[in-house]
Amino acid sequence: DVKVTQSSRYLVKRTGEKVFLECVQDMDHENMFWYRQDPGLGLRLIYFSYDVKMKEKGDIPEGYSVSREKKERFSLILESASTNQTSMYLCASSFPRGWSEQYFGPGTRLTVT
Amino acid sequence: KNQVEQSPQSLIILEGKNCTLQCNYTVSPFSNLRWYKQDTGRGPVSLTIMTFSENTKSNGRYTATLDADTKQSSLHITASQLSDSASYICVVSSDSNYQLIWGAGTKLIIKP
Repeated sequence: DVKVTQSSRYLVKRTGEKVFLECVQDMDHENMFWYRQDPGLGLRLIYFSYDVKMKEKGDIPEGYSVSREKKERFSLILESASTNQTSMYLCASSFPRGWSEQYFGPGTRLTVT
Repeated sequence: KNQVEQSPQSLIILEGKNCTLQCNYTVSPFSNLRWYKQDTGRGPVSLTIMTFSENTKSNGRYTATLDADTKQSSLHITASQLSDSASYICVVSSDSNYQLIWGAGTKLIIKP
């Protein structure tokens, strides 16, 4: 079974703090993704990565950065958290063949106060 | 503009009843369409994928249909169970730049 794990299920941070969200997959997938999910909106892609040390901006990269130093690990960084970044963050991974099925982690619900 | 719209936003039905969820898209060029199920507090899980040439695909009690001419898809759930309570998300993939366009989902509640 594919397993995608995220470092925290729930996180509460203060405005201005630096926040790290970690994602690890165990299926040797080349592709990894970070999304945010807000009520009434579809998943929105923040960043994705096709390979180690490779990253591409998604639809809403502002205020975020990512790091992929190892194939199995993809980190999302909020340099200076703001209240409008309160959201559910979902990590996913997939094989690179076309747009293969994405396998999701359980999500991290981040609250910025 | 590429868009995926789902209806209804939410739906409540009694256990054992059938229901149909709708997905309309304006994505072009079209590559494939997936339905995902997302349980509360969990990430989405793929139910089915359909390509341009497929009209119907089943996965147990779930049956997805695709009409590429009208750009509509539906997900039919037969003999609903309490475990079907979840959000169902339609996702369309575009050939042009491998972009995924996500619908906002339909929240389905099954009542005993």
